[in-house]
Amino acid sequence: AQSVSQHNHHVILSEAASLELGCNYSYGGTVNLFWYVQYPGQHLQLLLKYFSGDPLVKGIKGFEAEFIKSKFSFNLRKPSVQWSDTAEYFCAVSPNSGYSTLTFGKGTMLLVSP
Amino acid sequence: SQTIHQWPATLVQPVGSPLSLECTVEGTSNPNLYWYRQAAGRGLQLLFYSVGIGQISSEVPQNLSASRPQDRQFILSSKKLLLSDSGFYLCAWLDRDTDTQYFGPGTRLTVL
Repeated sequence: AQSVSQHNHHVILSEAASLELGCNYSYGGTVNLFWYVQYPGQHLQLLLKYFSGDPLVKGIKGFEAEFIKSKFSFNLRKPSVQWSDTAEYFCAVSPNSGYSTLTFGKGTMLLVSP
Repeated sequence: SQTIHQWPATLVQPVGSPLSLECTVEGTSNPNLYWYRQAAGRGLQLLFYSVGIGQISSEVPQNLSASRPQDRQFILSSKKLLLSDSGFYLCAWLDRDTDTQYFGPGTRLTVL
């Protein structure tokens, strides 16, 4: 069975600081990788995803993530965070075959102070 | 475009009472549907998924059950709630064209 580990449960940054949220997964086969975000009072929504190809993927709102296969990692980055990035961020994986079920990390709560 | 609905939005139930949470999807046909739960301090955990009417797969043995009586309806139930059933329940549907799941607004369940 696959598992996902997110390194930080809570992160506090000031506006304009750079962000990197760590995500590592464990699975014996090929996976699809996702980052979801939940802003306060809103639905869980897709931030970006990686299936294949260029390991550096760009998502909405200036976020990007890099897949490093040798490290089983899919870290999320943003060069300069804004107060509106305050949210909970979830890394998730699904096997490349099967019923596309997602295994999530425990989430990282990001608080950006103005 | 596709829309996913969940109700109720919040629910407070006593221990031992029954539960029924409903999820419906609009704008797509024969979607894969999923129920997840987020308990306090834990990530989202897959509970059930369904690839079609009457087809339910359970990922975690527990006090809950799921049913899919119609193509775009997915129901989560319990005959007798436990305190440990408290949490945030999310329904999702799979866009097969992009192999990506999209989530509903969730139901926050508190069992007292």
